[in-house]
Amino acid sequence: QSALTQPASVSGSPGQSITISCTGTSSDVGGYNYVSWYQQHPGKAPKLMIYDVTNRPSGVSNRFSGSKSGNTASLTISGLQAEDEADYYCSSYTSSTTWVFGGGTKLTVL
Amino acid sequence: QVQLQESGPGLVKSSETLSLTCVVSGYSISSGYYWGWIRQPPGKGLEWIGSVFHSGNTYYNPSLKSRVTISVDTSRNQLSLKLSSVTAADTAVYYCARQGTTGTSWFDPWGQGTLVTVSS
Repeated sequence: QSALTQPASVSGSPGQSITISCTGTSSDVGGYNYVSWYQQHPGKAPKLMIYDVTNRPSGVSNRFSGSKSGNTASLTISGLQAEDEADYYCSSYTSSTTWVFGGGTKLTVL
Repeated sequence: QVQLQESGPGLVKSSETLSLTCVVSGYSISSGYYWGWIRQPPGKGLEWIGSVFHSGNTYYNPSLKSRVTISVDTSRNQLSLKLSSVTAADTAVYYCARQGTTGTSWFDPWGQGTLVTVSS
C-alpha cells in the first residue's frame, strides 16, 4: 500500500490560518470517512487531533478542523499559535482492512 | 485514563527477531478495541505495522506481513510485536496505540515509544 500524499512543509504567521492536504485514493481516503490527523512535537509521541474526517476529541482546540472532498482530506488550523509548530500526519482506513499514514507535513509558525 | 508503555531490547542484531511488549493500564484489553503497532524511522514518517483485535484477529501491513506477528495476552493485559529477519531498515521508534473499532478510526492514546536499533 502506498503512503498518503502530504506536502512536505507549510508555514504561516501567528493568527493566520493554514491548511494541510492529504491525498489518497478511492480505496482509502475517498472510500471511507475514516481519516484522522495527528500532531507530533519533536521527541514526543503523536497526538490525535481529528478523527473520522471532522470530529475533534475532547480537549483539542476548536482551532483545529477537518474536511474531505473526494480523495483528498484537509486539516485546517486557524488562529495559528507558536505551539502549533509541529509535524502533522494524516491516516486512513483502507479497503484491505489496513491503515495507512501520510508522509507528514512540517508546520512552521513564522 | 488509558496508558500504554512499550518495552524491549534497544539493540537487535541484523537477521535476528525484534520482540517488543506493550503493557496497557487503565483499560482491559479483553473489553474491546483494536490495538496497533506503528513505527517511525529516525527523521522519517509514521508507518503502520499491524493491529490486533481484542479477540486475537490480526491485520498486517502487506509490506511487512511475512515477517510480523502481533498477539494479545489478556491475562497480562498486554500486546506483543515480533519482527523477524531484521535489517538496518527496521531501525525505528516503535509505538503501540489503542485504535477505534467498528464505525470509527483513530489511534489514541499512544505509548511513549521505544527506540530499536538494528546493528550489523
